[in-house]
Amino acid sequence: EAGVTQFPSHSVIEKGQTVTLRCDPISGHDNLYWYRRVMGKEIKFLLHFVKESKQDESGMPNNRFLAERTGGTYSTLKVQPAELEDSGVYFCASSQDYSVYGYTFGSGTRLTVV
Amino acid sequence: GQNIDQPTEMTATEGAIVQINCTYQTSGFNGLFWYQQHAGEAPTFLSYNVLDGLEEKGRFSSFLSRSKGYSYLLLKELQMKDSASYLCALHSNSGYALNFGKGTSLLVTP
Repeated sequence: EAGVTQFPSHSVIEKGQTVTLRCDPISGHDNLYWYRRVMGKEIKFLLHFVKESKQDESGMPNNRFLAERTGGTYSTLKVQPAELEDSGVYFCASSQDYSVYGYTFGSGTRLTVV
Repeated sequence: GQNIDQPTEMTATEGAIVQINCTYQTSGFNGLFWYQQHAGEAPTFLSYNVLDGLEEKGRFSSFLSRSKGYSYLLLKELQMKDSASYLCALHSNSGYALNFGKGTSLLVTP
């Protein structure tokens, strides 16, 4: 089966610009998660979708970040406007149900804000 | 926070055994994950401990002691391809979120 796909793999943008990251989960996985790792820090949870609904968005840093999952398939994470501290690697993961063995991560999008 | 601590770096020799420790401070969690991550790649699942004790899976084993706030990942018969970052993560008991440590970068030398 295809894994979790993230696009783009790398993005370099200027401060103040907008960037949209995309995640395609494993087909049939209702649960989709976004995580972020900034330089020198641990991977941190951002939010969790169940189908198209936001189940938990407690990790979203501020209102410059907007995540959507229209139709319950792929998800997008938009950063607008981007700031320097938003630089990092953004990971997406998906799972079929509550089975903790099913957390499959994508390779991440490396975002650099200059 | 859950204050998850891991050594930053470790070095071991091919064929040897290495133990990567993870300590944490938390009021409660569902279970503890270990993930492996090669540079530029996705974290991949290694093990999940819910109960105290040792879980063995091939060359990799993971141990959990809830009373001591301690886990370790044991890698046997090290191979060069085991050079990677190893991430300890607690599974929150208030949702689906994983709380990660900073990871341990393991270098396997010939």
